[in-house]
Amino acid sequence: GQQLNQSPQSMFIQEGEDVSMNCTSSSIFNTWLWYKQDPGEGPVLLIALYKAGELTSNGRLTAQFGITRKDSFLNISASIPSDVGIYFCAGRPSVSGGYNKLIFGAGTRLAVHP
Amino acid sequence: KAGVTQTPRYLIKTRGQQVTLSCSPISGHRSVSWYQQTPGQGLQFLFEYFSETQRNKGNFPGRFSGRQFSNSRSEMNVSTLELGDSALYLCASSPGQENSPLHFGNGTRLTVT
Repeated sequence: GQQLNQSPQSMFIQEGEDVSMNCTSSSIFNTWLWYKQDPGEGPVLLIALYKAGELTSNGRLTAQFGITRKDSFLNISASIPSDVGIYFCAGRPSVSGGYNKLIFGAGTRLAVHP
Repeated sequence: KAGVTQTPRYLIKTRGQQVTLSCSPISGHRSVSWYQQTPGQGLQFLFEYFSETQRNKGNFPGRFSGRQFSNSRSEMNVSTLELGDSALYLCASSPGQENSPLHFGNGTRLTVT
């Protein structure tokens, strides 16, 4: 079935550093979504991307929809301690009626040292 | 605007029992999707309901079922529980159009003993 390869699996960085993570697939996606999940809570939507090549920012976060529609990346600039958590990419497959049958990456666990 | 509300937050059940989980979507959202999250398999799609009809289904056995009511609230049922059903069950709502984002609730943590 369709899979998303998310990397890196985990990151340990110093406060103030920039972070980059990405997701790739052999399949084409119509939508890319990036979520952050804190312990004991559900994923919170960070950025949604709908067009190939689209570059979108949300504060210190920037994400891009790859031009081939098979990949996406998320950058976090000037990390702070509250950025700690697990970041997930999710893709909406390019199939008719796919709607909300999202495919999720395995997550990137981010630790920030003050 | 209230977010997605899931009840209960925690459940402990015994093998062989059945369980019903509830989800209230964001006001105005007509689509409710259910996902299972486990450490081993990650987030996996269970099914989606839109206007009281199942619109999509994932690769889970028939023990997993759901329904949606006219007010868009949804329930998920798991019958004949197995140890492997222990997971965080997440509900997500969206307006329902093709290019609309999903917003998740905080989930129901199910433990099967």
